[in-house]
Parts: sequence; C-alpha cells; structure tokens
Amino acid sequence: QVQLVQSGAEVKKPGASVRVSCKASGYTFSDYDYAIHWVRQAPGQSLEWMAWINAGSGNTKYSQKFQGRVSITKDTDASTAYMDLGSLRSEDTAIYYCARGVAGAGGLRFDYWGQGTRVTVSS
Amino acid sequence: DIQMTQSPSSLSASVGDRVIITCRASQSIGSYLNWYQQKPGKVPELLIYGASSLQSGVPSRFSGSGSGTDFTLTISSLQPEDFATYYCQQSYRSPYTFGQGTKQEI
Repeated sequence: QVQLVQSGAEVKKPGASVRVSCKASGYTFSDYDYAIHWVRQAPGQSLEWMAWINAGSGNTKYSQKFQGRVSITKDTDASTAYMDLGSLRSEDTAIYYCARGVAGAGGLRFDYWGQGTRVTVSS
Repeated sequence: DIQMTQSPSSLSASVGDRVIITCRASQSIGSYLNWYQQKPGKVPELLIYGASSLQSGVPSRFSGSGSGTDFTLTISSLQPEDFATYYCQQSYRSPYTFGQGTKQEI
C-alpha cells in the first residue's frame, strides 16, 4: 500500500532553516505520473500549498509566496523527497505535509498524505 | 492567485440529515475541483476529485457537483463519523489554493 512517512517534529529559532523529509513506499517513486507536493497548515488554519517536485523528471514548481525561501529536492534511490525552508519566522509555525499528486482524468489531486511534521519557530 | 470561498464556515446538523457545502472560485476553473475531509488531529483525506468523481473507498453518501465557479459537496445522510472539516481545492492552476474550510458539527 502507498505510504508517505515524514521526519519528526522540529523546533527552530527565527532565522534558521528546517529540512523535512518524506519517504515514499508502495509505488514507483520515479514514475512520471506522480509528484510530491508540500502543503502546510498553521494552527487552526486552512491548508496552504507550497511546492511540488516530479520525482521522475526532477521538475519543481514553487508558490510565489515561498519563492527564494523554499527548496524541494529528491533522492530517487532512497525514494525520499525533501523540503527545505529557510529564514524561518514565527508565522512558519505549522504542520507540514507531503502528499502524492496524481494527474490524469479528473485533474490533479492529492490521493495519499504523509502523517505531517510539526515545525515550531520560537525564540 | 485563484481564491476559493466556502460557505458556510461551520454547519450544525443531525445524523441522517442531508448536508450541502458550497465552494466558489474567483475565476472559472472548469471541473478542476477537489474536496478533502480532515478529522480533528488527522491528515486530510481525498473525497472527491474532478468536481464529481468519488475517490476509491469513499462512501457513496458523498457526492460532488458543479463546474466553472460554483461547486457543491453533498452528504446525503450524515453519519457520526462525518464530524470533520471539509476543504475544497482548485487544481486548475498553481498555486493550488484551498478554501478556508467548513467545520461540520453533529
């Protein structure tokens, strides 16, 4: 079965960087039909899409809101995607999710999600 | 960015009720609309994609409709396990924005 397993909770100081990993299993990570998306949810708030990476092509796309602060990479051999977010501020305190994106008939949707990684930014 | 607006923001209903949640896009998005359910402390789960296609394993009491800018999620007969927050999401254009959520209270 498809699983996305994320790294553990992080506590960071303002100005620092954080890396969250997302290890995929149960499907071919490098299949061009799938991508890994990153979505965050601040406490009590809605969901916010950040970026995606196609593990087959390596193509990436970032939300303009996070451009310059976020970087999405992958290790195909390890079936793992990484999200690096820099210049952290208190407003970045949130749960960060990875999700598998699948396109095709019906359009893009996120059919499997990681368990979430809580990132707390506090001095 | 495409703005997604859901109504109502919260909804109180009884078991067995028919519930309708609406989602409006700030511009036409065709049928590129998904619905997710998030239970408290849990991960979002895909319910409906392409405005009306039921994700595998999702109970048939959930259905979606609409196109262009106006969409609805219908729960035909509310069950106790449907206590959750529901989000719409447009997949027409990046950034793939979500609505603010509708909290369903039983």
